[in-house]
Amino acid sequence: TQLLEQSPQFLSIQEGENLTVYCNSSSVFSSLQWYRQEPGEGPVLLVTVVTGGEVKKLKRLTFQFGDARKDSSLHITAAQPGDTGLYLCAGDLAGGTSYGKLTFGQGTILTVHP
Amino acid sequence: NAGVTQTPKFRILKIGQSMTLQCTQDMNHNYMYWYRQDPGMGLKLIYYSVGAGITDKGEVPNGYNVSRSTTEDFPLRLELAAPSQTSVYFCASSYTAKTGGIDYGYTFGSGTRLTVV
Repeated sequence: TQLLEQSPQFLSIQEGENLTVYCNSSSVFSSLQWYRQEPGEGPVLLVTVVTGGEVKKLKRLTFQFGDARKDSSLHITAAQPGDTGLYLCAGDLAGGTSYGKLTFGQGTILTVHP
Repeated sequence: NAGVTQTPKFRILKIGQSMTLQCTQDMNHNYMYWYRQDPGMGLKLIYYSVGAGITDKGEVPNGYNVSRSTTEDFPLRLELAAPSQTSVYFCASSYTAKTGGIDYGYTFGSGTRLTVV
């Protein structure tokens, strides 16, 4: 059982469409991060959200942290082929000392067709 | 600025062989981690370290060992390789605390793809 459930696992859309990826858990997180990974490379940090209800925007990407800090979403507006990749959410569990250990979701593979 | 460097990039091992995956970072990060990535499973934590001389087990430590003699280096040792260890291995490092104006997060290496046959 995954502590962080990402959905959908696969997403195939046309250029210009909008999409949302969800990251859900029954656990509370101190912070939640989103990474993007391209084939043959390591994940690259996109954003960190730390406050319940927080919304962060990064150009066409909008990230939201749930009020209860148990879930997050990534919304992409007008997707482009360059957005293609594996998107991973990762959380730092609240309570105690986690030493920065992150729990990862299983990932969403996004393909944007021109 | 190299960030996190992993070697080798690819390796094929026979069952029962041993090897060391190298990881070095030049950002003076105290925290370092080893994860494995399997299709559809995200990343699973193998071992982590909060500073030189200090290491601890993660979620899937069996069959692996680590050491941290310096801040920069965090090698992962596989003893008696098994087919179940076929995976992509990532080393990462991070700051120790969330500091103002800096997004706390990992810097990953580019990975080592290991196949055990």
